Amino acid sequence: AQKVTQAQTEISVVEKEDVTLDCVYETRDTTYYLFWYKQPPSGELVFLIRRNSFDEQNEISGRYSWNFQKSTSSFNFTITASQVVDSAVYFCALSEGISGGYNKLIFGAGTRLAVHP
Amino acid sequence: NAGVTQTPKFQVLKTGQSMTLQCAQDMNHEYMSWYRQDPGMGLRLIHYSVGAGITDQGEVPNGYNVSRSTTEDFPLRLLSAAPSQTSVYFCASSSTLGAGGPNEQFFGPGTRLTVL
Repeated sequence: AQKVTQAQTEISVVEKEDVTLDCVYETRDTTYYLFWYKQPPSGELVFLIRRNSFDEQNEISGRYSWNFQKSTSSFNFTITASQVVDSAVYFCALSEGISGGYNKLIFGAGTRLAVHP
Repeated sequence: NAGVTQTPKFQVLKTGQSMTLQCAQDMNHEYMSWYRQDPGMGLRLIHYSVGAGITDQGEVPNGYNVSRSTTEDFPLRLLSAAPSQTSVYFCASSSTLGAGGPNEQFFGPGTRLTVL
């Protein structure tokens, strides 16, 4: 069965600290896609990144970076020099296989990040 | 473009009542879906549609019905509301699978439903 585990329920940091949010997934598919979404206090869901199973290159976007390791089935998200505006719930998600055209997302439980001034 | 819109934003129902949550998108996306978000459980897929006239069940479909008569609209019906359906409901849409894989899903603002 496919599953996404975000073991960190809540993380609290002080502004400018670096923080890593863990995501571990389970799937039997050889082709799959991983996503990160951000849910700020206002409640909307904001897309951050998509990664396919054949691309293990790490990605950096400003202060955000993602580390994908197939060997450990992990897709971790690091925020460098955190800011108060980064406070949100972050969700990791896995897309299922062919049924539904890879658009059926399985979400982790989310990690609530609080960045304090 | 308005993106994905949902109405109402808030709703309180009594046990046994029925209602329809509305979802519309103006991006001409073929794929639409409904999720519910409960504390500590992330988002769980209720129903989805890959195009007008085509729907299928997700992870937690019981107690909900959907239909897709147009590309733009994907309403979610609660047939007989139960307290266990108290949740925040999100509608999402995306364009169909391309050569590069699934595209990002665009989410609506959510509907907060309370069933007493």
